[in-house]
Amino acid sequence: RKEVEQDPGPFNVPEGATVAFNCTYSNSASQSFFWYRQDCRKEPKLLMSVYSSGNEDGRFTAQLNRASQYISLLIRDSKLSDSATYLCVVNKDRFTGGGNKLTFGTGTQLKVEL
Amino acid sequence: DAGVIQSPRHEVTEMGQEVTLRCKPISGHNSLFWYRQTMMRGLELLIYFNNNVPIDDSGMPEDRFSAKMPNASFSTLKIQPSEPRDSAVYFCASSFSGKDTDTQYFGPGTRLTVL
Repeated sequence: RKEVEQDPGPFNVPEGATVAFNCTYSNSASQSFFWYRQDCRKEPKLLMSVYSSGNEDGRFTAQLNRASQYISLLIRDSKLSDSATYLCVVNKDRFTGGGNKLTFGTGTQLKVEL
Repeated sequence: DAGVIQSPRHEVTEMGQEVTLRCKPISGHNSLFWYRQTMMRGLELLIYFNNNVPIDDSGMPEDRFSAKMPNASFSTLKIQPSEPRDSAVYFCASSFSGKDTDTQYFGPGTRLTVL
């Protein structure tokens, strides 16, 4: 079983739609969670952290369910510019020296259409 | 401010040749990561440096891969000899590993093709 699992998609949605992505992780000791965004042929960039109480950043809402080991990302009023691959990322450990050992999902592709 | 800088951006080489990828982390960052991304396996961590010291190289696929960080502003990832299965995008990322927040910032990547 993969450490971080995501539906690869693609999710094709019309502009203005609401879309939700889900992610499950296998290590119950995982400490922190993130969503990264990766545009085609570009590097991954941090979209938002995911907090236990859930958090919102504009049109984006992230939720965490530790009991079910499940993370979600909701995008409201989707824009053409939201088209990208969304990577679910889990930090299960910290290295000696303090760096985060991140495990990346393979990503969910979103295509927002006119 | 300059982000993470990687060179070359694209590399095409023949099987058996040596390949050297270069990375300049963000100034002031004390952690550096090398990742490899393929369609099949996604993004995988190869090696992690903290304060220029290799801390975890468990992701390095085999002895053909080596990485160095001679100073805080430069790192290399070398593949010798290269094989077609090494074809991938190689990303370097850096962060400042403080107590609470240490977001990793990725460079633009090097797209490697081994023929």
